Amino acid sequence: QQQVKQSPQSLIVQKGGISIINCAYENTAFDYFPWYQQFPGKGPALLIAIRPDVSEKKEGRFTISFNKSAKQFSLHIMDSQPGDSATYFCAARAGGYNKLIFGAGTRLAVHP
Amino acid sequence: GAGVSQSPSNKVTEKGKDVELRCDPISGHTALYWYRQSLGQGLEFLIYFQGNSAPDKSGLPSDRFSAERTGGSVSTLTIQRTQQEDSAVYLCASSLPPNLNEQFFGPGTRLTVL
Repeated sequence: QQQVKQSPQSLIVQKGGISIINCAYENTAFDYFPWYQQFPGKGPALLIAIRPDVSEKKEGRFTISFNKSAKQFSLHIMDSQPGDSATYFCAARAGGYNKLIFGAGTRLAVHP
Repeated sequence: GAGVSQSPSNKVTEKGKDVELRCDPISGHTALYWYRQSLGQGLEFLIYFQGNSAPDKSGLPSDRFSAERTGGSVSTLTIQRTQQEDSAVYLCASSLPPNLNEQFFGPGTRLTVL
C-alpha cells in the first residue's frame, strides 16, 4: 500500500513532442505528490508538485494531471527539448509524515 | 548559497568493512533525510531527522545501518560490515520548515562494495 507505481520505465520523444509519464498509488492517506528531475551524477531536484484538492497544475511546459478517484497522476512535458532528457521520479507523501515514497523512475530521452 | 554537499562522492570498499558517509545540509535547514538509490530503482527512504526530535529510523534496512546528526547540522550515515547488496548511491536531502515538502538533494555518494 506504500508503493507508487511509475510507467513507462523509459521513453523516447522527438523534439517538440509531448512526454507523458504516469504514476499510480494505493494509499489514500497520500496528500502531496511531487515530481523530481534527475540528471546523471546529480541529486534529484523538485520540478513541480500537486495536492489532491486540484486536478491540474501547470508550470511553464510542465503540467501535472491528478485523478483522485483513479488514484493516478501524470506529468506532461509539452514541447519537449533535448535538455529535458533526464530521469523523472514521481513521489508521494502521507499526511503527518515527511518521508517521500518514490516511483522507480522514467528515463526520458528527447531526440533532436 | 551552497547546496547540500556529500562526501565522499565515490567510495569503494571491501565486503565486511565499515563505511561512513557524510552530509552537510543547507545552512539553516533543520530537517535532514537519507535515501538510497539502487541501480535502476527509485529512491528508498532510510532515515529522517528534524531538529531535536527523535529520528524516524523506519527505513533503515538492517541494524548494520545507523545515522547520527551532530549539532543539528552535519549527518553521518554508517554502514557496518558492508555487504555487496549495500552497493548503491546514498542521497542526502534537507528542507526547511514550514515547507518541509521541498527537499533539496545533494549529489550523492556512490558506494561500491567488492
